[in-house]
Amino acid sequence: ETGVTQSPTHLIKTRGQQVTLRCSSQSGHNTVSWYQQALGQGPQFIFQYYREEENGRGNFPPRFSGLQFPNYSSELNVNALELDDSALYLCASKRDRGQNEQFFGPGTRLTVL
Amino acid sequence: AQSVTQPDIHITVSEGASLELRCNYSYGATPYLFWYVQSPGQGLQLLLKYFSGDTLVQGIKGFEAEFKRSQSSFNLRKPSVHWSDAAEYFCAVFAGSARQLTFGSGTQLTVLP
Repeated sequence: ETGVTQSPTHLIKTRGQQVTLRCSSQSGHNTVSWYQQALGQGPQFIFQYYREEENGRGNFPPRFSGLQFPNYSSELNVNALELDDSALYLCASKRDRGQNEQFFGPGTRLTVL
Repeated sequence: AQSVTQPDIHITVSEGASLELRCNYSYGATPYLFWYVQSPGQGLQLLLKYFSGDTLVQGIKGFEAEFKRSQSSFNLRKPSVHWSDAAEYFCAVFAGSARQLTFGSGTQLTVLP
């Protein structure tokens, strides 16, 4: 069984640019969530996708957007990057949208200069 | 709104000593609680979870946690710490309309030889 994978591993961007992060969910999982983990803090929920539709969102501005594809992989897009967007972005997948265990990927480290 | 508090930012123990990491939660309904571990530059690995039933739950790597509703706590314990346990530990609760995880700010564990 293949676990959750994310790409790229590291990314450096400048302020104002746009970035796309990618996530492949674990086999059999149809729900993907994205989290932002700033240095020294716990992960914070960005949003969740279930069967290609967003079904929950945390306290993040609209310039954070996402997609889920028919194979349940997902993208996180961030427009107009700010310095504070520098963080580890974690993707997690689970079986269905209920209160099931989430499995996390290794994350993408984004640095905004 | 739900929240998780981990009062200890950093704990140092000697190898072979016992360990207890504290976690307090605030949530209006029956909580689903988790402990995750994160090694440097890595994603999150689930140590154990509490959904219902026995309030003492066993996890991987010799960890256990006890759910105490009266104290709104879910403390993590290990009787004898190994050097490989050095990492950051996060307590989390399932909450919100999307059943997303709300994390505490984490406890950094250092193990002395």
